Amino acid sequence: NAGVTQTPKFRVLKTGQSMTLLCAQDMNHEYMYWYRQDPGMGLRLIHYSVGEGTTAKGEVPDGYNVSRLKKQNFLLGLESAAPSQTSVYFCASSSRDRKNTEAFFGQGTRLTVV
Amino acid sequence: LAKTTQPISMDSYEGQEVNITCSHNNIATNDYITWYQQFPSQGPRFIIQGYKTKVTNEVASLFIPADRKSSTLSLPRVSLSDTAVYYCLVGGIDTGRRALTFGSGTRLQVQP
Repeated sequence: NAGVTQTPKFRVLKTGQSMTLLCAQDMNHEYMYWYRQDPGMGLRLIHYSVGEGTTAKGEVPDGYNVSRLKKQNFLLGLESAAPSQTSVYFCASSSRDRKNTEAFFGQGTRLTVV
Repeated sequence: LAKTTQPISMDSYEGQEVNITCSHNNIATNDYITWYQQFPSQGPRFIIQGYKTKVTNEVASLFIPADRKSSTLSLPRVSLSDTAVYYCLVGGIDTGRRALTFGSGTRLQVQP
């Protein structure tokens, strides 16, 4: 059982380049989330999804787009990378169980924009 | 979304009990309280979740007073490996608070 898997683990981009981060979960979870974490800071929610085909903005959505075409996958896109987007990105998923909001996190993607 | 307030940092020694309190004054009726632990270079890990009174598992205890405007995570007999950042989250599926938002967390440093 892999849980939540993020691809890639590391990436260096030049300013203006685009890229897509992939998050895959094998727990049949309805909810998925993308966060960014800057050094010494807490996690900030970028976008989230409550089901296949639906997405919503989080706290810091500007500069990012997402898609949830399949239940198990949640993609995070950067159309034109900026140095301010240098960060560690975490994906998470959780079930729809009203009594269990436990979220499972991936290992993170360390992105550097130069 | 319910805003939470936690101490920025705490220090302790091995073997001591550590209590981290979180304030959440605007918690909604159906909100649950959840705590996560994060080690450097890793994603957060679920510790414990509760709604009211006391919850205990093999890792920690969670104390929630009757008014639910605060909660206390209790770590018994901490060790060096408990050095981490601890986050308190408030939300729930029923209330539509599905956007899990993390505050700044509490950085716990355990000394030998």
